[in-house]
Amino acid sequence: EIVLTQSPGTLSLSPGERATLSCRASQSVSTSYLAWYQQKPGQAPRLLIYGASSRATGIPDRFSGSGSGTDFTLTIDGLEPEDFAVFYCQQYDKSPFTFGPGTKVDIK
Amino acid sequence: EVRLVESGGGLVKPGGSLRLSCAASGFTFSTSSMNWVRQAPGKGLEWVSSISSSGYILYADSLKGRFTISRDNANNSLYLQMDSLGAEDTAVYYCARGGGSYSQWGQGTLVTVSS
Repeated sequence: EIVLTQSPGTLSLSPGERATLSCRASQSVSTSYLAWYQQKPGQAPRLLIYGASSRATGIPDRFSGSGSGTDFTLTIDGLEPEDFAVFYCQQYDKSPFTFGPGTKVDIK
Repeated sequence: EVRLVESGGGLVKPGGSLRLSCAASGFTFSTSSMNWVRQAPGKGLEWVSSISSSGYILYADSLKGRFTISRDNANNSLYLQMDSLGAEDTAVYYCARGGGSYSQWGQGTLVTVSS
């Protein structure tokens, strides 16, 4: 099983700042098979990034994904008030399709 | 507009069974891979099971054969039969569309396993 580790656990930032979230895999993940999701309280997750760096439909360009192999990054350039949430990475390279434990981005 | 609406959740006793349904609309269900993902209260996301358009099925190892995913393309519906439920199965269960990443999600249905 591919274990995903996300850091930091919590990120406290102010609106307008840049958020950098890390996702590390226990073994190499094909670049095409890493996704990022955003989840707000009481809501279903929303797909942000697939294939490590491709934005999903309707996702603002302040969200970007990068990385390969075992190290992946989600960057949010210029946090908007609606961006504060929990973010999960997911690998869909090998079953079981695991999620990371999440990074909470909250308002400083 | 894509819609995924889960139903069938509720309170069930340990050892009991429950069948979840997911009604899909707004897209061609028969050609879409579908999935179940769950989230225990206050916890992260956990992949449960996937079924491809051709019927290829995968399950999380932790389920130990207790859950069965199925689909009815004629009725645009996805199902999850859950047997021998335990407290560890208490969660919101989401159905999600996608063959790798999950582009659309339902709002979830809560399953509570308690005596």
